[in-house]
Amino acid sequence: EVHLVESGGGLVQPGGSLRLSCAASGLAFSDHYMDWVRQAPGKGLEWIGRSRNKANSYTTEYAASVKGRFAISRDDSKTSLYLQMNSLKTEDTAVYYCVRLYRTSDDYWPDDWGQGTLVTVSS
Amino acid sequence: DIQMTQSPSSLSASVGDRVTITCRASQGISSSLAWFQQKPGKAPKSLIYAASSLRGGVPSKFSGSGSGTEFTLTISSLQPEDVATYYCQQHKTYPLTFGGGTKVEIK
Repeated sequence: EVHLVESGGGLVQPGGSLRLSCAASGLAFSDHYMDWVRQAPGKGLEWIGRSRNKANSYTTEYAASVKGRFAISRDDSKTSLYLQMNSLKTEDTAVYYCVRLYRTSDDYWPDDWGQGTLVTVSS
Repeated sequence: DIQMTQSPSSLSASVGDRVTITCRASQGISSSLAWFQQKPGKAPKSLIYAASSLRGGVPSKFSGSGSGTEFTLTISSLQPEDVATYYCQQHKTYPLTFGGGTKVEIK
């Protein structure tokens, strides 16, 4: 059974930085694409980025709202995904989820979700 | 960016009712659509991928259809455990975008 556990959330001041981690188990982590998705309090879901696997050179994609401020990385030896968040804004306040993607013949689909970690950006 | 519009934004139906949620894309996305269920206070759960393929372990009362710009999620017989907000997401083009959600309640 796949298990994803996010950590690293908390209270940070505007302009500050935070690094989230997602520890994965029960899967061949290095084979998988991974996404980060967030949800502001009382709001809908927002996709913020993707990490491709080693076979695809660990390339990344980002939403415009976080590009240049957030960076996704991974350590396959630790079966962990990371989200480095810099220059944080109050509108980045949200629960952040990591998501394992399932590969079909022509695409990658969200499959397993972590329980989320809350990031609060406030002075 | 591709805009995803869900309707209705909320609905109330009786136990046993057939429930249909619509998701429209601002441009054609072929079958590149997924559906998710989020129960109150919980993480989302994946239901359907590629518009109509049921994720393993998801009850067969859930079904998806559509292609191009219009998609539907159907719950064949609504049960109390189906109370949740349902989201669609397009996978055709980056950035991947979600619909605004449909909140399903029991009447």
